[in-house]
Amino acid sequence: EPEVTQTPSHQVTQMGQEVILRCVPISNHLYFYWYRQILGQKVEFLVSFYNNEISEKSEIFDDQFSVERPDGSNFTLKIRSTKLEDSAMYFCASSADRAPSPLHFGNGTRLTVT
Amino acid sequence: KNEVEQSPQNLTAQEGEFITINCSYSVGISALHWLQQHPGGGIVSLFMLSSGKKKHGRLIATINIQEKHSSLHITASHPRDSAVYICAVFFSGNTPLVFGKGTRLSVIA
Repeated sequence: EPEVTQTPSHQVTQMGQEVILRCVPISNHLYFYWYRQILGQKVEFLVSFYNNEISEKSEIFDDQFSVERPDGSNFTLKIRSTKLEDSAMYFCASSADRAPSPLHFGNGTRLTVT
Repeated sequence: KNEVEQSPQNLTAQEGEFITINCSYSVGISALHWLQQHPGGGIVSLFMLSSGKKKHGRLIATINIQEKHSSLHITASHPRDSAVYICAVFFSGNTPLVFGKGTRLSVIA
């Protein structure tokens, strides 16, 4: 069964550094999402992306964050100048159709900012 | 305000027991996901439903739109069912998915 893959599985970075989290969605999916889960808390929506542009974003997704689909297969989340509070698990998801539609999640990237 | 509440927060069961996890939400929805989060953190979608009932193996999900309530049932529970089960909702109006806090299930052999 096709999967959403995320790399790396764990990233440690120093405060102030830039990180790029990578995702390869399922190949025929058109809608892409990033979510965040701070340790011990619920999963939160960050951003949705369709047709090479952001379709919706949450209050969390400020100017520090950006998303890109650079080559038609990868979907990336960039965090500029990371802060301690950016430490979390970041999940990528994709779906074939617009919401509401079944979502397929990656295994997540655990980001630790020191 | 769009809210999703799950109960119980934690659940411990003996192997073989029938398990029910509940989800209630505040306003009308277009669909509801039941998700399973493994101890390693990965998330797997179990069901998406907007009415009635769905079954897959030992898992059954039901939803009552009028009562704004959904349940996830696990029959003949097994230690490998131990995970966090999350209810997540698409509220009406094409809003992003809103997640509950999850129910941590431990099934003991």
